Amino acid sequence: KNEVEQSPQNLTAQEGEFITINCSYSVGISALHWLQQHPGGGIVSLFMLSSGKKKHGRLIATINIQEKHSSLHITASHPRDSAVYICAVRWNGGATNKLIFGTGTLLAVQP
Amino acid sequence: DSGVTQTPKHLITATGQRVTLRCSPRSGDLSVYWYQQSLDQGLQFLIQYYNGEERAKGNILERFSAQQFPDLHSELNLSSLELGDSALYFCASSVSNEQFFGPGTRLTVL
Repeated sequence: KNEVEQSPQNLTAQEGEFITINCSYSVGISALHWLQQHPGGGIVSLFMLSSGKKKHGRLIATINIQEKHSSLHITASHPRDSAVYICAVRWNGGATNKLIFGTGTLLAVQP
Repeated sequence: DSGVTQTPKHLITATGQRVTLRCSPRSGDLSVYWYQQSLDQGLQFLIQYYNGEERAKGNILERFSAQQFPDLHSELNLSSLELGDSALYFCASSVSNEQFFGPGTRLTVL
């Protein structure tokens, strides 16, 4: 079993829909990151959170430390949101900021 | 633009060869991380350097090595290359907890 699990693996939505991507993890963490990777490969950090909720534009990320679960929400989705969304946790088991990655969610938003 | 640069963008080489990937962190960032992204394994942490010293090792093969220089840029050396080493190699830098990713180097081993 992977230490970081994401669901769904693939998601197709119509423009304007509300989207939720889930991330569950099994290790102790000090923070959780949501990353976006567009075709062509570049990775952009969307959020880093250790508790509660953060919002940036149409993106909202929440985390429940007790339940070891995080969600990424996209409101009013747009075709430009099409990308792979990756959840990564910062493992708190050592003196490092080592990230453990989920396998990603491939999102396609159709016009 | 994250401020992290990586060269080259693309690299095509043959099995058995050796290559060097270069990463320049954001100005002021002391930590550099290397990651490998392959189709079958996803993103995996390879190694971390902090201010010139190795800080943590992940799933890095013995054929791979890295170093961080006094000007804080880092190099990842891959030797005796195999077909399975074909992947995207990312570096990231950080000064606290947030990591900023470079654009990656796409390595193709033929």
